[in-house]
Amino acid sequence: DAGITQSPRYKITETGRQVTLMCHQTWSHSYMFWYRQDLGHGLRLIYYSAAADITDKGEVPDGYVVSRSKTENFPLTLESATRSQTSVYFCASSESLDSVTDTQYFGPGTRLTVL
Amino acid sequence: QKEVEQDPGPLSVPEGAIVSLNCTYSNSAFQYFMWYRQYSRKGPELLMYTYSSGNKEDGRFTAQVDKSSKYISLFIRDSQPSDSATYLCAMSLNSGYSTLTFGKGTMLLVSP
Repeated sequence: DAGITQSPRYKITETGRQVTLMCHQTWSHSYMFWYRQDLGHGLRLIYYSAAADITDKGEVPDGYVVSRSKTENFPLTLESATRSQTSVYFCASSESLDSVTDTQYFGPGTRLTVL
Repeated sequence: QKEVEQDPGPLSVPEGAIVSLNCTYSNSAFQYFMWYRQYSRKGPELLMYTYSSGNKEDGRFTAQVDKSSKYISLFIRDSQPSDSATYLCAMSLNSGYSTLTFGKGTMLLVSP
Protein backbone atom coordinates (compact mmCIF):
# COMPACT_ATOMS: atom_id res chain seq x y z
CA ASP A 1 0.00 0.00 0.00
CA ALA A 2 2.36 2.69 -1.29
CA GLY A 3 -0.14 5.58 -1.46
CA ILE A 4 1.58 8.51 -3.10
CA THR A 5 5.26 8.52 -3.92
CA GLN A 6 7.63 11.08 -5.38
CA SER A 7 10.98 10.67 -7.05
CA PRO A 8 13.68 11.67 -6.73
CA ARG A 9 13.56 12.75 -3.10
CA TYR A 10 16.56 15.02 -3.56
CA LYS A 11 17.88 16.61 -6.73
CA ILE A 12 20.66 19.06 -7.47
CA THR A 13 20.82 20.54 -10.93
CA GLU A 14 22.28 23.51 -12.75
CA THR A 15 20.65 26.59 -14.19
CA GLY A 16 19.25 25.97 -17.65
CA ARG A 17 18.90 22.21 -17.36
CA GLN A 18 15.62 20.38 -17.78
CA VAL A 19 14.42 18.51 -14.73
CA THR A 20 11.44 16.18 -14.31
CA LEU A 21 9.93 15.36 -10.96
CA MET A 22 7.80 12.25 -10.79
CA CYS A 23 4.64 11.60 -8.82
CA HIS A 24 2.77 8.30 -8.62
CA GLN A 25 -0.37 7.40 -6.67
CA THR A 26 -1.93 3.99 -6.18
CA TRP A 27 -5.45 5.04 -5.15
CA SER A 28 -6.77 5.87 -8.65
CA HIS A 29 -7.65 9.35 -7.42
CA SER A 30 -8.98 11.60 -10.14
CA TYR A 31 -7.29 14.80 -8.97
CA MET A 32 -3.56 15.38 -8.65
CA PHE A 33 -1.72 18.53 -7.63
CA TRP A 34 1.76 20.00 -7.64
CA TYR A 35 2.75 22.50 -4.96
CA ARG A 36 5.97 24.23 -4.09
CA GLN A 37 6.85 25.19 -0.53
CA ASP A 38 9.20 28.04 0.19
CA LEU A 39 10.14 29.83 3.38
CA GLY A 40 8.06 32.97 3.59
CA HIS A 41 5.52 31.81 1.02
CA GLY A 42 4.12 28.58 2.31
CA LEU A 43 2.49 26.09 -0.04
CA ARG A 44 1.60 27.44 -3.47
CA LEU A 45 -0.23 25.53 -6.17
CA ILE A 46 1.66 25.16 -9.45
CA TYR A 47 -0.66 22.96 -11.55
CA TYR A 48 -3.42 20.49 -10.98
CA SER A 49 -5.18 17.84 -13.00
CA ALA A 50 -8.76 16.61 -12.87
CA ALA A 51 -8.15 13.46 -14.94
CA ALA A 52 -5.87 12.05 -17.59
CA ASP A 53 -5.17 14.70 -20.24
CA ILE A 54 -6.91 17.45 -18.23
CA THR A 55 -4.66 19.97 -16.49
CA ASP A 56 -5.06 23.52 -15.22
CA LYS A 57 -2.82 26.27 -13.91
CA GLY A 58 -2.50 27.16 -10.29
CA GLU A 59 -1.04 30.23 -8.63
CA VAL A 60 2.56 29.93 -9.87
CA PRO A 61 2.67 27.98 -13.19
CA ASP A 62 5.37 29.93 -15.05
CA GLY A 63 8.44 27.88 -15.90
CA TYR A 64 6.71 24.54 -15.32
CA VAL A 65 5.09 22.00 -17.61
CA VAL A 66 2.86 19.09 -16.60
CA SER A 67 1.33 16.14 -18.35
CA ARG A 68 -0.98 13.36 -17.32
CA SER A 69 -1.23 10.52 -19.77
CA LYS A 70 -2.15 8.00 -17.05
CA THR A 71 -4.37 8.53 -14.02
CA GLU A 72 -1.72 7.39 -11.57
CA ASN A 73 1.19 9.55 -12.80
CA PHE A 74 1.60 13.32 -12.83
CA PRO A 75 5.14 14.41 -13.77
CA LEU A 76 6.27 18.01 -13.33
CA THR A 77 8.95 19.33 -15.70
CA LEU A 78 11.10 22.39 -15.27
CA GLU A 79 12.04 23.09 -18.88
CA SER A 80 14.98 25.38 -18.09
CA ALA A 81 15.65 25.44 -14.37
CA THR A 82 16.34 28.75 -12.62
CA ARG A 83 17.70 29.43 -9.13
CA SER A 84 14.30 30.79 -8.11
CA GLN A 85 12.89 27.30 -8.64
CA THR A 86 14.98 25.96 -5.76
CA SER A 87 12.25 24.68 -3.45
CA VAL A 88 10.55 21.68 -1.93
CA TYR A 89 7.96 20.26 -4.30
CA PHE A 90 4.95 18.32 -3.05
CA CYS A 91 2.60 16.22 -5.07
CA ALA A 92 -0.90 15.55 -3.74
CA SER A 93 -3.96 13.63 -4.84
CA SER A 94 -7.64 13.54 -3.96
CA GLU A 95 -10.77 11.76 -5.12
CA SER A 96 -12.47 15.02 -6.10
CA LEU A 97 -12.06 18.77 -5.64
CA ASP A 98 -14.65 18.72 -2.86
CA SER A 99 -12.50 19.87 0.04
CA VAL A 100 -15.16 18.80 2.54
CA THR A 101 -15.49 15.14 1.65
CA ASP A 102 -12.22 14.42 -0.09
CA THR A 103 -8.93 15.06 1.62
CA GLN A 104 -5.83 15.90 -0.33
CA TYR A 105 -3.10 13.37 0.44
CA PHE A 106 0.43 14.62 0.09
CA GLY A 107 3.58 12.83 -0.98
CA PRO A 108 6.87 13.08 0.95
CA GLY A 109 8.26 15.88 -1.21
CA THR A 110 11.24 16.43 -3.51
CA ARG A 111 13.96 18.86 -2.43
CA LEU A 112 15.28 20.55 -5.56
CA THR A 113 18.35 22.75 -5.57
CA VAL A 114 19.24 24.72 -8.70
CA LEU A 115 22.83 25.96 -8.72
CA GLN B 1 -2.05 41.75 1.16
CA LYS B 2 -1.86 37.97 0.88
CA GLU B 3 -5.20 36.20 1.04
CA VAL B 4 -4.25 34.13 4.09
CA GLU B 5 -1.95 35.37 6.84
CA GLN B 6 -0.32 33.12 9.42
CA ASP B 7 2.44 33.91 11.90
CA PRO B 8 5.40 31.64 11.03
CA GLY B 9 6.60 31.38 14.65
CA PRO B 10 8.33 29.42 16.02
CA LEU B 11 6.00 29.06 18.96
CA SER B 12 7.72 27.34 21.90
CA VAL B 13 5.66 25.93 24.77
CA PRO B 14 6.24 23.46 27.61
CA GLU B 15 4.56 20.07 27.57
CA GLY B 16 0.99 20.24 28.86
CA ALA B 17 0.39 23.83 27.73
CA ILE B 18 -2.65 24.96 25.78
CA VAL B 19 -1.60 26.11 22.32
CA SER B 20 -3.45 28.60 20.15
CA LEU B 21 -2.63 28.80 16.44
CA ASN B 22 -4.33 31.37 14.23
CA CYS B 23 -4.91 32.52 10.68
CA THR B 24 -6.59 35.57 9.25
CA TYR B 25 -7.93 35.86 5.74
CA SER B 26 -9.23 38.57 3.46
CA ASN B 27 -11.55 36.75 1.03
CA SER B 28 -15.04 36.54 2.51
CA ALA B 29 -15.94 33.84 -0.04
CA PHE B 30 -13.88 31.26 1.86
CA GLN B 31 -16.29 28.84 3.50
CA TYR B 32 -14.29 25.68 4.16
CA PHE B 33 -11.38 25.79 6.57
CA MET B 34 -8.80 23.16 7.23
CA TRP B 35 -5.77 22.60 9.40
CA TYR B 36 -2.88 20.51 8.15
CA ARG B 37 0.02 19.25 10.25
CA GLN B 38 3.45 18.86 8.71
CA TYR B 39 6.30 17.09 10.44
CA SER B 40 9.85 17.98 9.48
CA ARG B 41 10.78 16.70 6.01
CA LYS B 42 7.33 15.16 5.49
CA GLY B 43 4.27 16.11 3.47
CA PRO B 44 1.32 17.86 5.12
CA GLU B 45 -1.53 15.72 6.47
CA LEU B 46 -5.09 16.84 7.19
CA LEU B 47 -5.79 17.34 10.87
CA MET B 48 -9.25 18.90 10.93
CA TYR B 49 -11.73 20.76 8.79
CA THR B 50 -14.69 22.99 9.55
CA TYR B 51 -17.39 24.52 7.42
CA SER B 52 -18.45 28.15 7.88
CA SER B 53 -18.50 29.48 11.45
CA GLY B 54 -18.40 27.57 14.68
CA ASN B 55 -16.31 25.09 16.61
CA LYS B 56 -15.27 21.53 15.98
CA GLU B 57 -13.57 19.29 18.51
CA ASP B 58 -11.51 16.15 17.93
CA GLY B 59 -9.74 14.80 20.97
CA ARG B 60 -7.22 17.38 22.17
CA PHE B 61 -7.79 19.56 19.11
CA THR B 62 -10.46 22.24 18.63
CA ALA B 63 -10.90 24.23 15.44
CA GLN B 64 -12.75 27.50 15.62
CA VAL B 65 -13.98 29.77 12.82
CA ASP B 66 -15.15 33.36 13.18
CA LYS B 67 -16.27 34.45 9.72
CA SER B 68 -17.33 37.91 10.90
CA SER B 69 -13.73 38.61 11.89
CA LYS B 70 -12.22 36.47 9.11
CA TYR B 71 -10.24 34.63 11.76
CA ILE B 72 -9.69 30.93 12.39
CA SER B 73 -7.97 29.18 15.27
CA LEU B 74 -6.67 25.78 16.22
CA PHE B 75 -6.39 24.99 19.93
CA ILE B 76 -4.33 22.10 21.23
CA ARG B 77 -4.95 21.03 24.82
CA ASP B 78 -2.39 19.18 26.93
CA SER B 79 0.26 19.64 24.24
CA GLN B 80 2.79 16.84 23.78
CA PRO B 81 6.31 16.80 22.32
CA SER B 82 4.84 14.72 19.47
CA ASP B 83 2.74 17.77 18.54
CA SER B 84 5.94 19.57 17.51
CA ALA B 85 5.36 20.29 13.82
CA THR B 86 4.37 23.04 11.44
CA TYR B 87 0.64 23.72 11.31
CA LEU B 88 -0.80 25.10 8.09
CA CYS B 89 -4.27 26.54 7.72
CA ALA B 90 -5.98 26.09 4.36
CA MET B 91 -9.20 27.43 2.89
CA SER B 92 -11.44 26.91 -0.08
CA LEU B 93 -14.29 28.84 -1.61
CA ASN B 94 -17.98 28.58 -0.89
CA SER B 95 -18.60 25.89 -3.44
CA GLY B 96 -16.17 23.54 -1.76
CA TYR B 97 -15.16 22.49 -5.23
CA SER B 98 -12.13 24.69 -5.49
CA THR B 99 -8.42 24.50 -4.95
CA LEU B 100 -6.98 25.20 -1.53
CA THR B 101 -5.27 28.41 -0.44
CA PHE B 102 -2.71 27.79 2.29
CA GLY B 103 -1.21 29.95 4.99
CA LYS B 104 2.56 29.98 5.41
CA GLY B 105 2.41 27.69 8.44
CA THR B 106 3.31 28.14 12.12
CA MET B 107 6.13 26.06 13.59
CA LEU B 108 5.24 24.69 17.02
CA LEU B 109 7.86 23.33 19.42
CA VAL B 110 6.67 21.51 22.55
CA SER B 111 9.45 20.87 25.03
CA PRO B 112 9.29 17.95 27.54
